[in-house]
Amino acid sequence: NAGVTQTPKFQVLKTGQSMTLQCAQDMNHEYMSWYRQDPGMGLRLIHYSVGAGITDQGEVPNGYNVSRSTTEDFPLRLLSAAPSQTSVYFCASSYTKTGGQIGYTFGSGTRLTVV
Amino acid sequence: QKEVEQDPGPLSVPEGAIVSLNCTYSNSAFQYFMWYRQYSRKGPELLMYTYSSGNKEDGRFTAQVDKSSKYISLFIRDSQPSDSATYLCAMSPYGNNRLAFGKGNQVVVIP
Repeated sequence: NAGVTQTPKFQVLKTGQSMTLQCAQDMNHEYMSWYRQDPGMGLRLIHYSVGAGITDQGEVPNGYNVSRSTTEDFPLRLLSAAPSQTSVYFCASSYTKTGGQIGYTFGSGTRLTVV
Repeated sequence: QKEVEQDPGPLSVPEGAIVSLNCTYSNSAFQYFMWYRQYSRKGPELLMYTYSSGNKEDGRFTAQVDKSSKYISLFIRDSQPSDSATYLCAMSPYGNNRLAFGKGNQVVVIP
């Protein structure tokens, strides 16, 4: 049982380049989300999805795109990387329970540096 | 004002001491309260989960929720060096999967 798998673990990009951060879960969870974590800022929600084909914006969506074609996968695309997007990115999933969820399962993170 | 406030200041305690962490929040709709533990260069992992007000105990860990004061706490008894990590509080309203996180509190337990 792998849980939530993120690839790559590390990445260095040049300003203006694009890339996709991969996230896959094998728990059949409906809800998936992407966060970025910066020193002193905590975890900030970028985008989330409540099921295949349904996505929505979080707190800091600018510069990022997502899609959800399957239950298992939720990739995050950086359209034109900027130094401000240097961060640690976490993918998380949870199942939907009536009235709320118990908690998320997080991936191990992708450390992205934009130079 | 952020929805969830958590003092991120590092906390150093000697081994065996009680660690006390807390968060305050402003959204009265929050019903689910969680504490996550994050080791260095790892993803957060769920540590404690409570619904509405009250206390919950799990081994050396106790979570408390006071909805009237919009205040939640996490206590770690008999702290161990392996408890050295960042602790994040998180909460969500009834029927909503989106979590609001605190900034996290770094704890160092000194042997």
